[in-house]
Amino acid sequence: NAGVTQTPKFQVLKTGQSMTLQCAQDMNHNSMYWYRQDPGMGLRLIYYSASEGTTDKGEVPNGYNVSRLNKREFSLRLESAAPSQTSVYFCASMGAGDTQYFGPGTRLTVL
Amino acid sequence: GESVGLHLPTLSVQEGDNSIINCAYSNSASDYFIWYKQESGKGPQFIIDIRSNMDKRQGQRVTVLLNKTVKHLSLQIAATQPGDSAVYFCAENRGDTGRRALTFGSGTRLQVQP
Repeated sequence: NAGVTQTPKFQVLKTGQSMTLQCAQDMNHNSMYWYRQDPGMGLRLIYYSASEGTTDKGEVPNGYNVSRLNKREFSLRLESAAPSQTSVYFCASMGAGDTQYFGPGTRLTVL
Repeated sequence: GESVGLHLPTLSVQEGDNSIINCAYSNSASDYFIWYKQESGKGPQFIIDIRSNMDKRQGQRVTVLLNKTVKHLSLQIAATQPGDSAVYFCAENRGDTGRRALTFGSGTRLQVQP
């Protein structure tokens, strides 16, 4: 039982490049989330998915798209990366108990 | 506006002492709060939660107190250990069941001195 896994762990992009961050959970949770964490700050919600087939915007959705591929997987895509998107990205999932479980994070640098 | 924030950015305590980390919130309708611990290079880890129908909840070496009158909650760690060194976040869990999302405060760094 791995919990929440994220790939890649690290990524460096040039401005304008695109990439997809992958997230998977093996806890059979309905809800999944993407957050970003900037240095010295708390996490801010980008997008979430309450169930397979649904997605909703969070606090900071601009510049991102998401796909809830199936119940296990929730991906985050940057179509045209900008330096302001340099951050650590965390995926989380939540089951019936309202507790969110986080992955180890992806550290993204945009040059 | 709505916010979840912390009083102190850094707290330094001696090993074995008790630690108290504070958090204020502004939305009086908030009904569910969670404390997370984040170690360097890792994702947040659930510590303890509390709902608004409670004033106090205890876990293993941790206690969360909720004062709805002044919109304040605290995390108390008993007999603080070096392994407790981390950043601690309070988070407000909002929304209907199944559509909840977290709003995080900016965090308090706990440093445990040997």
